[in-house]
Amino acid sequence: DAGVTQSPTHLIKTRGQQVTLRCSPKSGHDTVSWYQQALGQGPQFIFQYYEEEERQRGNFPDRFSGHQFPNYSSELNVNALLLGDSALYLCASSSLAARLYFGPGTRLTVL
Amino acid sequence: AQKITQTQPGMFVQEKEAVTLDCTYDTSDQSYGLFWYKQPSSGEMIFLIYQGSYDEQNATEGRYSLNFQKARKSANLVISASQLGDSAMYFCAMREGMGGGADGLTFGKGTHLIIQP
Repeated sequence: DAGVTQSPTHLIKTRGQQVTLRCSPKSGHDTVSWYQQALGQGPQFIFQYYEEEERQRGNFPDRFSGHQFPNYSSELNVNALLLGDSALYLCASSSLAARLYFGPGTRLTVL
Repeated sequence: AQKITQTQPGMFVQEKEAVTLDCTYDTSDQSYGLFWYKQPSSGEMIFLIYQGSYDEQNATEGRYSLNFQKARKSANLVISASQLGDSAMYFCAMREGMGGGADGLTFGKGTHLIIQP
């Protein structure tokens, strides 16, 4: 049973560019959440998708947007990249259970 | 105010000793859940243990137990008989409200645990 998968593993972009990160949830899960983890910090909640709709959002600007597809996979898009967007981006999936299952993350570096 | 506070940035512990990692939380909700995650250097967050606010008994999962003191708003993680493989970052997190497990978690800043042989 495959767990949560994310692609790519690493990514390098320059300021002002746009980036798309991808996530496939664990089998049987219908909800996907995205987190940003800056170096030396705990993860911060970006947003959550359920039934292809954004259900909840953390304190992130509109430059951060997402999408969920009918197969429950999800994308995180970040426009107009800033140096401060450099971080590990974690995807987590869940169903009605309390537990979140996290993927291995995508490490984004903005130069 | 911080919703999750982890006061130990780093800890060194001898192998086979028990370890307590501190976590205090702040919420006005009556219903909430508390989680502990382990993050090795690879980056993946590994679920360790969960405690619901209405759970009367402290949660246990193998070598992990959660010392839940509701009145003190404390949810410390206890690792018994530590092993070298326990070296990692440990994060305490909280989910507020009645979300069915699918709501955003608030994480603390983490504790870097190093187990020494």
